[in-house]
Amino acid sequence: QQQVKQSPQSLIVQKGGISIINCAYENTAFDYFPWYQQFPGKGPALLIAIRPDVSEKKEGRFTISFNKSAKQFSLHIMDSQPGDSATYFCAASIKGRRALTFGSGTRLQVQP
Amino acid sequence: DGGITQSPKYLFRKEGQNVTLSCEQNLNHDAMYWYRQDPGQGLRLIYYSQIVNDFQKGDIAEGYSVSREKKESFPLTVTSAQKNPTAFYLCASKAPAGHETQYFGPGTRLLVL
Repeated sequence: QQQVKQSPQSLIVQKGGISIINCAYENTAFDYFPWYQQFPGKGPALLIAIRPDVSEKKEGRFTISFNKSAKQFSLHIMDSQPGDSATYFCAASIKGRRALTFGSGTRLQVQP
Repeated sequence: DGGITQSPKYLFRKEGQNVTLSCEQNLNHDAMYWYRQDPGQGLRLIYYSQIVNDFQKGDIAEGYSVSREKKESFPLTVTSAQKNPTAFYLCASKAPAGHETQYFGPGTRLLVL
């Protein structure tokens, strides 16, 4: 039972390009949607997060777009850099409850 | 220097052996979590604890056990009942209610000999 579906599984982008990763969720009770960045052999680190009362949140080169009616959210990385090469996970949770439900991850490679 | 520490970084388990993974945090967080990460499957919840002396099963608790005797410590034991233990194990913690961010440790990679 996969409650958060993430795509694509892998992504190759040229330096300076835009990286786009998409996630779709099923449980309408989710109300917190973070994105995590993970480098090989390391633990995930929070990148950016959004709540469903806003449609977009931007922090530097990273933007989350949120579509509540479609139950989808996406991560956009502008001006992608080789240092952005990592695995990205979307996640969702219900406020005050349990733990995060993660997507399956997207391995991003930014070519110089 | 606040954060979450996990040890060891690598752990080898012989068949039929129980092994324990350590997780310590000095962030004064109430909630702690254990996740298992397999290639292409994201992170799956094993156990979580909201307060000391209380813990709940996650989605894949079979073959694992935990304890929460101290606020800063949440060790995970991989028992011999877990037939496929090879994975990357991640511990996380979260601040009190109203804060949703989970902070992760560096992980322990468990391998079977």
